[in-house]
Amino acid sequence: DTGVSQDPRHKITKRGQNVTFRCDPISEHNRLYWYRQTLGQGPEFLTYFQNEAQLEKSRLLSDRFSAERPKGSFSTLEIQRTEQGDSAMYLCASRAVKQGRGYGYTFGSGTRLTVV
Amino acid sequence: GQQVMQIPQYQHVQEGEDFTTYCNSSTTLSNIQWYKQRPGGHPVFLIQLVKSGEVKKQKRLTFQFGEAKKNSSLHITATQTTDVGTYFCAGGKTGANNLFFGTGTRLTVIP
Repeated sequence: DTGVSQDPRHKITKRGQNVTFRCDPISEHNRLYWYRQTLGQGPEFLTYFQNEAQLEKSRLLSDRFSAERPKGSFSTLEIQRTEQGDSAMYLCASRAVKQGRGYGYTFGSGTRLTVV
Repeated sequence: GQQVMQIPQYQHVQEGEDFTTYCNSSTTLSNIQWYKQRPGGHPVFLIQLVKSGEVKKQKRLTFQFGEAKKNSSLHITATQTTDVGTYFCAGGKTGANNLFFGTGTRLTVIP
């Protein structure tokens, strides 16, 4: 168990449908990140939160994507009007940043999205 | 697109042989982290290097950060079948709050 939980593990959806993923980070970690990974590639940054504030979004995050982290606890990533190109593994990670020093990311097991 | 490149993309070694993967960034990094991802798994943090020229060891693994903080390497001595997986470097940049992951090196160990 990594300590970061993601739900669901797998999601198959029809093109055009909306999907929502959930991430529960390690409670002591103040930063939460969403990454996307396609087969044979490294994870690509989507967005990150410090506590409840969404502080940065990648250009990969089109207006069909939205992420929230209410109350600085769990986070959700929603994709509206899914497209086949959205098929990927969506990884959530959390980390602690204390006194300006950052530590390694702890990743969850990911949600594998398949858009058919 | 990817700003951090890794070579080789794939490496097949006989069990007991050594393995090295190299990571190169086009810009200066504030720190570099290394992750291992087993087939079907998620990235697992191995180590972070911060200082220019830093070398760190974890048992059979040796990590190095270049003097110019633009490159790094991971060397595994006497590989074992448990070392199988994809090794990613991930660079942090001053002013950026996320990591830029490399393209990864997929290691296969032949028993």
